[in-house]
Amino acid sequence: DAKTTQPPSMDCAEGRAANLPCNHSTISGNEYVYWYRQIHSQGPQYIIHGLKNNETNEMASLIITEDRKSSTLILPHATLRDTAVYYCIVRVADVLSSNNDMRFGAGTRLTVKP
Amino acid sequence: GAVVSQHPSRVICKSGTSVKIECRSLDFQATTMFWYRQFPKKSLMLMATSNEGSKATYEQGVEKDKFLINHASLTLSTLTVTSAHPEDSSFYICSARDYHNEQFFGPGTRLTVL
Repeated sequence: DAKTTQPPSMDCAEGRAANLPCNHSTISGNEYVYWYRQIHSQGPQYIIHGLKNNETNEMASLIITEDRKSSTLILPHATLRDTAVYYCIVRVADVLSSNNDMRFGAGTRLTVKP
Repeated sequence: GAVVSQHPSRVICKSGTSVKIECRSLDFQATTMFWYRQFPKKSLMLMATSNEGSKATYEQGVEKDKFLINHASLTLSTLTVTSAHPEDSSFYICSARDYHNEQFFGPGTRLTVL
């Protein structure tokens, strides 16, 4: 039921920027874009989220296209510890909405190589 | 950030026995808690949603009599896998949503049924 499409895998050289794309062409006006990552055998870790403006925090940057149909997560200087599965999720912000829960797609397996 | 714990982190049991997994929000009250299951090399699949003091809502295909969920307080939810069988072996992950609608994930519980 995931509303997002991501490439199944990507490689990135250590120290370079990792750009992970996500398509969410059916996103609604009240849905946010969330990014999580999961390192092997651990629970998902929150990275960043946004509605329509670009966002940046200490972990990453999120670039959302003007039509909001796609976004890109940028890890500016990837390290070996960034190797993980990255999930892009769209989610309604309204707590009372039935579409408020987090549903995961297949994600992108990012491998950072030395 | 908010912390969600799970106990145990790993459990091995014999076929036919029941196993209880606890999920706690350590420093916040969770209006809603979610249970996910993840098979090897697969994504997280939402099993059920539970609100404190009310019955859980199960996703299609998830047997409510096999996966008993109790959400007795705003900081604790339990998942009991009844009469476990080898096919129930999986990684079970809980998450908790706070009053600000942010969702935090636990570290997961690895269940192995022999």
